[in-house]
Amino acid sequence: GEDVEQSLFLSVREGDSSVINCTYTDSSSTYLYWYKQEPGAGLQLLTYIFSNMDMKQDQRLTVLLNKKDKHLSLRIADTQTGDSAIYFCAETASGTYKYIFGTGTRLKVLA
Amino acid sequence: ETGVTQSPTHLIKTRGQQVTLRCSSQSGHNTVSWYQQALGQGPQFIFQYYREEENGRGNFPPRFSGLQFPNYSSELNVNALELDDSALYLCASTLGTGELFFGEGSRLTVL
Repeated sequence: GEDVEQSLFLSVREGDSSVINCTYTDSSSTYLYWYKQEPGAGLQLLTYIFSNMDMKQDQRLTVLLNKKDKHLSLRIADTQTGDSAIYFCAETASGTYKYIFGTGTRLKVLA
Repeated sequence: ETGVTQSPTHLIKTRGQQVTLRCSSQSGHNTVSWYQQALGQGPQFIFQYYREEENGRGNFPPRFSGLQFPNYSSELNVNALELDDSALYLCASTLGTGELFFGEGSRLTVL
């Protein structure tokens, strides 16, 4: 089935690290993505990881992929108030542009 | 700035009416897809167009239809609107690299 799960809320203090988790179901997924959505806006691609990778680092963002457990995480180092938003993970299989999105995790950064 | 623009940004319709939402993509983005994002949910895939032909569809009834034009613009049409059609409708385009570029969305309210 198609079901990407995320926890609904996460609250952290400014300067701390945030870790947002995602569980996906399609073992054939080729790419896994993290998108950010600010209030009233569309989706902004943050980063993605190819399924044959375990980790990808991009400035303050670190993506970890555990294919055995179908678990994806996004770590944001030195979280800032501007990082407050909803974060979606998404998966897609090779040869298709159909993205399957999670329900989103609302990150609140406390000053 | 993703280069994907959508119109209108907000609109209100009543049950049974029809609506057309528009999207303009970057030059060269020959694949466009549409997503429905209900309040508090992740985006759900409606359908995808490649070179003006529908080549993928999600679990949406036939009253959701679309068109893609040679000038990289596209439309989403919804007939016989229902209250549950109230949502943010997102258009996304791609060059073929797998990365989706999303517009800001059209927020539809059905009364």
